[in-house]
Amino acid sequence: GAGVSQSPSNKVTEKGKDVELRCDPISGHTALYWYRQSLGQGLEFLIYFQGNSAPDKSGLPSDRFSAERTGGSVSTLTIQRTQQEDSAVYLCASRRASGSTETQYFGPGTRLLVL
Amino acid sequence: DQQVKQNSPSLSVQEGRISILNCDYTNSMFDYFLWYKKYPAEGPTFLISISSIKDKNEDGRFTVFLNKSAKHLSLHIVPSQPGDSAVYFCAAVSNTGNQFYFGTGTSLTVIP
Repeated sequence: GAGVSQSPSNKVTEKGKDVELRCDPISGHTALYWYRQSLGQGLEFLIYFQGNSAPDKSGLPSDRFSAERTGGSVSTLTIQRTQQEDSAVYLCASRRASGSTETQYFGPGTRLLVL
Repeated sequence: DQQVKQNSPSLSVQEGRISILNCDYTNSMFDYFLWYKKYPAEGPTFLISISSIKDKNEDGRFTVFLNKSAKHLSLHIVPSQPGDSAVYFCAAVSNTGNQFYFGTGTSLTVIP
């Protein structure tokens, strides 16, 4: 079956511009996560959506970052007024349900470069 | 503050030998641990997991060991194969079961 997909796969933008990253989770998965991996770093949690509950935004690094999940499926991560330090791989993952034994399935990521 | 740590950024092993990747954590409330494997330009893929009520879980060539008193887990790959060359991430799940904490990864190279 189809896995998690993300678009675009690569994005180059100029400092100060806004970018929008898209994630299509596995159909039927209720949980969706966004992570960021900067060069030489681990996966940094950004935001988590679970069903219709309010998202856990505790990992968003600044108010320039926001995310939506429409209809419990597709999610978009928006970065406003991008900075060079926003350059990273942005990974999306979905999960069938909550509960510690449910694994995450990752998309291929969007590589963002802010010039 | 990094709650999950992988202190070895890289590891090289001869084909056929054992690869041992290590991971340490600080939060005693973590109750589930996972290893993910990541190839370049791909997202991480789930490899193996272990619950905090166990100390070992084996799946083919892959075995994960958990030492709760030391807050340490390790992934053993034996025998190692060139196709195992990838970055391996350790992750821990909070007791709410929702948030995952990842280490910084260990890049494994298996030399033919």
